[in-house]
Amino acid sequence: DAGVTQSPTHLIKTRGQQVTLRCSPKSGHDTVSWYQQALGQGPQFIFQYYEEEERQRGNFPDRFSGHQFPNYSSELNVNALLLGDSALYLCASSTGQQPSYYGYTFGSGTRLTVV
Amino acid sequence: LAKTTQPISMDSYEGQEVNITCSHNNIATNDYITWYQQFPSQGPRFIIQGYKTKVTNEVASLFIPADRKSSTLSLPRVSLSDTAVYYCLVGANSGGYQKVTFGIGTKLQVIP
Repeated sequence: DAGVTQSPTHLIKTRGQQVTLRCSPKSGHDTVSWYQQALGQGPQFIFQYYEEEERQRGNFPDRFSGHQFPNYSSELNVNALLLGDSALYLCASSTGQQPSYYGYTFGSGTRLTVV
Repeated sequence: LAKTTQPISMDSYEGQEVNITCSHNNIATNDYITWYQQFPSQGPRFIIQGYKTKVTNEVASLFIPADRKSSTLSLPRVSLSDTAVYYCLVGANSGGYQKVTFGIGTKLQVIP
């Protein structure tokens, strides 16, 4: 049973560039949430997608955008990269319309470094 | 969302039982308490979830007093591989769109 798959695992970008991160949810899950985790901090909620729509959003600027595809996979896009965007980006999947007694399933993340 | 407070770090020797307490004074009636474990450069992993009293699984136990303003994660006989950051989360778990918010967590260091 495949868990959450994220790609790429590591990425180095230059300030001002744009980046796209990808996530495939666990089999049977239809909701995808994205988190940003800076070094030494807990994961910070970016946004959540269900039925191809953004359902909830954290305190992140519009430079952060996303998309969910009909197969439930998702992309996170970040425009005009800043040095402060360097972090581990985590994708978590869950079942949107049922009680999630087993919590979120997280991927191993994409380590983004902005230079 | 209810705010949680937990110790920033804890040390324990191998083989001991570890108890990590989390305070959540503003917990709402329909909030559940969930704990996650995270190793460096990995995503958090679900450990246990509960609403009241005691919950036990193959990994840990979760103790929740009647007023639900705190909870205690208990890890029996820890090993070096239990060295990780543990997060306590509180939020609604009634289906729909579940925004899960993490704090800083408790960094547990298991000593040989």
